[in-house]
Amino acid sequence: GAVVSQHPSRVICKSGTSVKIECRSLDFQATTMFWYRQFPKQSLMLMATSNEGSKATYEQGVEKDKFLINHASLTLSTLTVTSAHPEDSSFYICSARDQTGGTGELFFGEGSRLTVL
Amino acid sequence: AQSVSQHNHHVILSEAASLELGCNYSYGGTVNLFWYVQYPGQHLQLLLKYFSGDPLVKGIKGFEAEFIKSKFSFNLRKPSVQWSDTAEYFCAVGQNRDDKIIFGKGTRLHILP
Repeated sequence: GAVVSQHPSRVICKSGTSVKIECRSLDFQATTMFWYRQFPKQSLMLMATSNEGSKATYEQGVEKDKFLINHASLTLSTLTVTSAHPEDSSFYICSARDQTGGTGELFFGEGSRLTVL
Repeated sequence: AQSVSQHNHHVILSEAASLELGCNYSYGGTVNLFWYVQYPGQHLQLLLKYFSGDPLVKGIKGFEAEFIKSKFSFNLRKPSVQWSDTAEYFCAVGQNRDDKIIFGKGTRLHILP
């Protein structure tokens, strides 16, 4: 199946710094990618829809100025957590839709674990 | 707003037992329904999906799910589980083929050898 890769898989940063997480679709093009956040023992919470060449669409309650999303190409979306705080520590997962095959199936990255000290 | 409810948070079964995991959604329009699985240490994978047609959907690894529109349900079943089915299972719903997908809280399945 299609592959979605996230980098880094783990990152530790100090409070107040910014962290960038990359999401790449390796063997297909994705005009739409999704960013999720998963707390321990909880479900995936959709944060935003990343649209290639246009602004991301954020879910209610998600601060767009804190979680900056850029989808500059058909294979890359980035999530930047700005001025990170300990409460931002979480597991961030991206997914990309393979639209070329017609099934619209979502493929998920391995996730990125962010720890803010 | 859409929502997805999974009734069982943690299920423990012995090998060869039958499995049914409940999933209900709230949305009045046309929906696409999914079951995803996350094995320990791995990323999410699609088990099966329903877009239209036969409401009984067969997926990988012997899993199946039945869409019952009148009950807003999409329960996952497997007649005989294996130890390797130990994982977390997520039900998800989308409004159309290209729309965002909303996930349920997940069911952690533990199979005893």
